[in-house]
Amino acid sequence: SQTIHQWPATLVQPVGSPLSLECTVEGTSNPNLYWYRQAAGRGLQLLFYSVGIGQISSEVPQNLSASRPQDRQFILSSKKLLLSDSGFYLCAWSVVAKAFNEQFFGPGTRLTVL
Amino acid sequence: QKEVEQNSGPLSVPEGAIASLNCTYSDRGSQSFFWYRQYSGKSPELIMFIYSNGDKEDGRFTAQLNKASQYVSLLIRDSQPSDSATYLCAVSGGGADGLTFGKGTHLIIQP
Repeated sequence: SQTIHQWPATLVQPVGSPLSLECTVEGTSNPNLYWYRQAAGRGLQLLFYSVGIGQISSEVPQNLSASRPQDRQFILSSKKLLLSDSGFYLCAWSVVAKAFNEQFFGPGTRLTVL
Repeated sequence: QKEVEQNSGPLSVPEGAIASLNCTYSDRGSQSFFWYRQYSGKSPELIMFIYSNGDKEDGRFTAQLNKASQYVSLLIRDSQPSDSATYLCAVSGGGADGLTFGKGTHLIIQP
C-alpha cells in the first residue's frame, strides 16, 4: 500500500530564516505530487504541483519554491520566511493513470513563523 | 477564479440522525468532486468522490451531484460522535491539476 511521509511535523522559525520541508511517497511510481497550505480562516490553498521529476507548476506567486529531485520526493523551500508563511503545509499525491485525480494527503507540517 | 462555497457551521446534529452537508462551485467545467474529513490538528482524509450526476453511496455516506445547479452534497446516515469533524468539499477540473477546496463545514454530533 502507498504511504506518504512529511517532515518535520512541527517547525518554529524566525522571520527571514530559510525553509525546507520534505515529502516522500512509498509504494507507487511516478505519482503526481502537490503542496498545499492551510492557513487560519483561508482554507486549503494549492501552492505547487508536479507531474514528474523536475516538472513544477506554481499556482500562487510568493516567496516559496518547490523542487522534485527524485520520482517520489517533493521539497518545499524558501530563502526568507515571512510572518504570512505560517500555516499547515500538506503534501498530497495522486495516481497519474487515474482519470479522477483522487488526492491523498500526508500528515502535514505545522509551521509557525515568529 | 474557481470558487467552492460551504457553510462554515457549526452544524449540530443529534446522534443517530442524518447529517447533510452542502457545497456549491463556480466552474462549470469541473469534472470530479470530493469530500474530505479533517479532524482538528490532522490532515484531510478522503471519504469519497463523485463525477456523474446523481447519488453515490458508500456505507453510511452518500454523495449527491447536480451539475446543472453546480451543487454537491454529502449525507451521513446514523451519525456517530466520531463523525464530528470539519468536512471539506473539493473540485477538480480534470487531469493532474490541484483541487480547489471550500473552507469546510464544522460538524458536531451530539451524543
